[in-house]
Amino acid sequence: DTEVTQTPKHLVMGMTNKKSLKCEQHMGHRAMYWYKQKAKKPPELMFVYSYEKLSINESVPSRFSPECPNSSLLNLHLHALQPEDSALYLCASSHPTRAGEWNTEAFFGQGTRLTVV
Amino acid sequence: KQEVTQIPAALSVPEGENLVLNCSFTDSAIYNLQWFRQDPGKGLTSLLLIQSSQREQTSGRLNASLDKSSGRSTLYIAASQPGDSATYLCAVNGGSQGNLIFGKGTKLSVKP
Repeated sequence: DTEVTQTPKHLVMGMTNKKSLKCEQHMGHRAMYWYKQKAKKPPELMFVYSYEKLSINESVPSRFSPECPNSSLLNLHLHALQPEDSALYLCASSHPTRAGEWNTEAFFGQGTRLTVV
Repeated sequence: KQEVTQIPAALSVPEGENLVLNCSFTDSAIYNLQWFRQDPGKGLTSLLLIQSSQREQTSGRLNASLDKSSGRSTLYIAASQPGDSATYLCAVNGGSQGNLIFGKGTKLSVKP
């Protein structure tokens, strides 16, 4: 099973709402990632969790709050978003080699299409 | 700072043609390079992964090559089909946590 599952597939939220995106994988991967992709642009890294600890935050605004409750689950909590935050949010996972190198294949979910109104 | 460039930005070919997509990167200190396919509004499907020590990888009608020293990779698609129409993204892994840096993609259209 090489599947990364993201829910919901589509989300429309107002600027005062609080919502969460969910990502799940059962491949035993110990790194999970959030990427943001605007229309006609490539994905850009937001956060990396390595062994359930936040290891990279690419200077993302605090209205985006990631959480990694366990090694299979990754959440992205959203609060007070702006219309320009509308995008496709992609989750990915990967796993280090026995030597501890992060050079293995990354697997992506189908994304959550977020629209902020 | 690593930069990834893909040429061409868009490509339209008749069915059955063989084609080449190009990817270049500025910093040769990478662990691997991965090619993805993305259909409109969808997630990324991994096509091929090439480790930095490898020269090429093949999967079906797809062949990807890597020249790390010159910072280049190519994706060769043989006997293209309308179902190959999608955006193809090249991504390099040079970070300490396996994070990827993407090119802007090549949008491929294969006409019946």
